[in-house]
Amino acid sequence: DIQMTQSPSSLSASVGDRVTITCQASQDIRDFLNWYQQKPGKAPKLLIYVASNLQTGVPSRFTGSGSGTDFTLTISSLQPEDVGTYYCQQYDVSPPTFGPGTKVDIK
Amino acid sequence: EVQLVQSGAEVKKPGESLKISCKGSGYTFHTSWIAWVRQMPGKGLELMGIIYPGDSATRYSPSFQGQVTISADKSITTAFLQWSSLQASDTAMYFCATPLPGTSGAFDVWGQGTMVTVSS
Repeated sequence: DIQMTQSPSSLSASVGDRVTITCQASQDIRDFLNWYQQKPGKAPKLLIYVASNLQTGVPSRFTGSGSGTDFTLTISSLQPEDVGTYYCQQYDVSPPTFGPGTKVDIK
Repeated sequence: EVQLVQSGAEVKKPGESLKISCKGSGYTFHTSWIAWVRQMPGKGLELMGIIYPGDSATRYSPSFQGQVTISADKSITTAFLQWSSLQASDTAMYFCATPLPGTSGAFDVWGQGTMVTVSS
């Protein structure tokens, strides 16, 4: 199966900062990469699908990019409600696999 | 509205069996994959496996192959996750999820989660 890695594992940033999370796949997954946000005690929420497509209702400060093995999630201006853990997930090869997550909080 | 509603929290003893459920509504259940995802306390998301209710085709992640059974009954639009002999290490929150139409793996609809606690 495909292994996913993410960096950093956690970060602390100020409100308004630009935040970047990276995700790497162990093999080429084309653009079959999604990003999720999870808040404590809640189900994950789909933010970005097929690497760069913003899910309906997700603020435009979230953008995704990349293809092949290297991907990025960017929050252009961090807001207090963005606190949570972010996961990448591939689905080029079945079954899909998640990355280990990046915990984001406010400095 | 597309919805997945999961069965309630369970408290079991080691060695007991368990079957939890995930009922879909508001969409064509048998033409959309359903995934089961484990989240152990304080840990990340682990996809356990996926099932296509239309023909019950199932794919297990290697870590979960042989440890659980995923099934579906399209007549009642419900997917199931079952254990024959629980262990303490099965204590976790379990989510089901179904993908965006037109994708097979962008999970946009999630159940509320079922907490399973295994303790003697």
